[in-house]
Amino acid sequence: QKEVEQDPGPLSVPEGAIVSLNCTYSNSAFQYFMWYRQYSRKGPELLMYTYSSGNKEDGRFTAQVDKSSKYISLFIRDSQPSDSATYLCATNFGNEKLTFGTGTRLTIIP
Amino acid sequence: NAGVMQNPRHLVRRRGQEARLRCSPMKGHSHVYWYRQLPEEGLKFMVYLQKENIIDESGMPKERFSAEFPKEGPSILRIQQVVRGDSAAYFCASSPPGQSTDTQYFGPGTRLTVL
Repeated sequence: QKEVEQDPGPLSVPEGAIVSLNCTYSNSAFQYFMWYRQYSRKGPELLMYTYSSGNKEDGRFTAQVDKSSKYISLFIRDSQPSDSATYLCATNFGNEKLTFGTGTRLTIIP
Repeated sequence: NAGVMQNPRHLVRRRGQEARLRCSPMKGHSHVYWYRQLPEEGLKFMVYLQKENIIDESGMPKERFSAEFPKEGPSILRIQQVVRGDSAAYFCASSPPGQSTDTQYFGPGTRLTVL
């Protein structure tokens, strides 16, 4: 069983829709949770970072963590074609090594 | 304010040759991490270094791979006697001292192709 599971997609939604991206993790000791965005043939870009259970909002992006069910989500409101990318969830114990999901490839259709 | 720099961006090697990948962290950052991304897979941790020290190398293959982060100059990931299975994108990330749990910034990666 992988430590972090993420549906690889691909996921296609029309422009303006709300996008929901999800990951599950197996180790309850994971404490920090991140979402990275990766455009094709580029490096990952940190989007969101959360620690505690609950929601964290930044513009059109909301990160949600449910530690009781070991479930993390990223919501994108008013999706734009420029949001088309691969989204990677990541987590760690509070040490420095990040464990990533495989990534979900998202396409926003104009 | 330059971000994490990696070079070369693309590297082609024949089987049995050596590959050297370089990473210059963001200014003021003293923590460097290397990750490998195989096609259709997520990033896999390889090694975490601070200046002149290897902190965690639990993700490094036991043979042919080594990494260093000298007092002066970039961090180097070295792959000896490359094989086709080493073909991947190698990403370096850096973080400032004291904040390594949440703020790893990634470079553009080096894409290694082994012929």
